[in-house]
Amino acid sequence: QVQLQESGPGLVKPSQTLSLTCTVSGGSISSGGYYWSWIRQHPGKGLEWIGYIYYSGSTYYNPSLKSRVTISVDTSKNQFSLKLSSVTAADTAVYYCARDRAANAFDIWGQGTMVTVSS
Amino acid sequence: EIVLTQSPGTLSLSPGERATLSCRASQSVSSSYLAWYQQKPGQAPRLLIYGASSRATGIPDRFSGSGSGTDFTLTISRLEPEDFAVYYCQQYGSSPYSFGQGTKLEIK
Repeated sequence: QVQLQESGPGLVKPSQTLSLTCTVSGGSISSGGYYWSWIRQHPGKGLEWIGYIYYSGSTYYNPSLKSRVTISVDTSKNQFSLKLSSVTAADTAVYYCARDRAANAFDIWGQGTMVTVSS
Repeated sequence: EIVLTQSPGTLSLSPGERATLSCRASQSVSSSYLAWYQQKPGQAPRLLIYGASSRATGIPDRFSGSGSGTDFTLTISRLEPEDFAVYYCQQYGSSPYSFGQGTKLEIK
């Protein structure tokens, strides 16, 4: 059974870079057929898709965040990562990673990790 | 970007009743790539429906999805106590993917 687990600092200072990692267990990130996404949810608000990566390294980012986002993959560790630069308080949110099964939508999600941007 | 508008914002019903949730897209959703998720407090969203009408693995048959183009519906035929939650629709046919703002289903 495939599981996803986010990890990273829960507190980031304004103007710094937020860095999170999603570890995939129970299956290989390189098996193909899946995209690996990051989604965030501001406190008490709805969901915002950040972007995805394929195991080959190809990416697509939400234009609203594109200038600050980098998603990368490390197939040897079965992980993919999110970097969001120049953060402000508006980036405070719960960050989720999810498996995007193309036609079958986001079928597996991590539990989410809360990131607060504050000095 | 496709904007999804969900209605109503809040739906108050009793267990055993039928719930009908709506999701309207600002433009046609490609290949009916429309999904529905359920989210309970403190939990990640859970996939209920994909491809507008296909139930995800393990989802009870009281949940059903319908629609195409710009208008989609999630129906819960007989509400169970565990169904009271927030529901989101999502389109994943066109990038950037987008979510609706959510419908809160609360106990009346």
